[in-house]
Amino acid sequence: SAVISQKPSRDICQRGTSLTIQCQVDSQVTMMFWYRQQPGQSLTLIATANQGSEATYESGFVIDKFPISRPNLTFSTLTVSNMSPEDSSIYLCSALGRNEQFFGPGTRLTVL
Amino acid sequence: GQNIDQPTEMTATEGAIVQINCTYQTSGFNGLFWYQQHAGEAPTFLSYNVLDGLEEKGRFSSFLSRSKGYSYLLLKELQMKDSASYLCAGGVSGNTPLVFGKGTRLSVIA
Repeated sequence: SAVISQKPSRDICQRGTSLTIQCQVDSQVTMMFWYRQQPGQSLTLIATANQGSEATYESGFVIDKFPISRPNLTFSTLTVSNMSPEDSSIYLCSALGRNEQFFGPGTRLTVL
Repeated sequence: GQNIDQPTEMTATEGAIVQINCTYQTSGFNGLFWYQQHAGEAPTFLSYNVLDGLEEKGRFSSFLSRSKGYSYLLLKELQMKDSASYLCAGGVSGNTPLVFGKGTRLSVIA
């Protein structure tokens, strides 16, 4: 199994600013993903973080708004850019194991 | 594309049995997952079915019928701590991320 940590665990940000969320996995994984979970909703995939190349974004999500880095097999970052109150959500990092997908504890973002 | 449906909310009594259903339509299929998520916490893995039939793991069992595009999660001897959201998720291939249903919020009452 993999243990995933995220920083920060929560933040309150002003409209128009940006926040970078860090995700660290305790073992090397081939696939890492970023999800968003809005209050009372299920998980929506934002993108697949590809090591050494640009992330693959899902419909409705773009690189300018959610730039992602994946410098190695254990670490990724997600930036939420030019934030608005609609970006208030929980952002979850995830990694793929052999028969299971693991999740970090999430970052709870509130945009004022 | 993928479409995963499950009931929004369910209520059950402590000590009872509850079955949470999930139906899916996917263009390709590589397994059906169930996750538990307590409020404010990350989802935690419960079960994985790739073949038809019932997988039992303690108080929790999961069933899959690929021909019917149907799965269920069975929780026995319900406890108050089982109050949580239960997420059904489908995988398309070994390297693609899971696609989640909207989740079923289960309330266990005394």
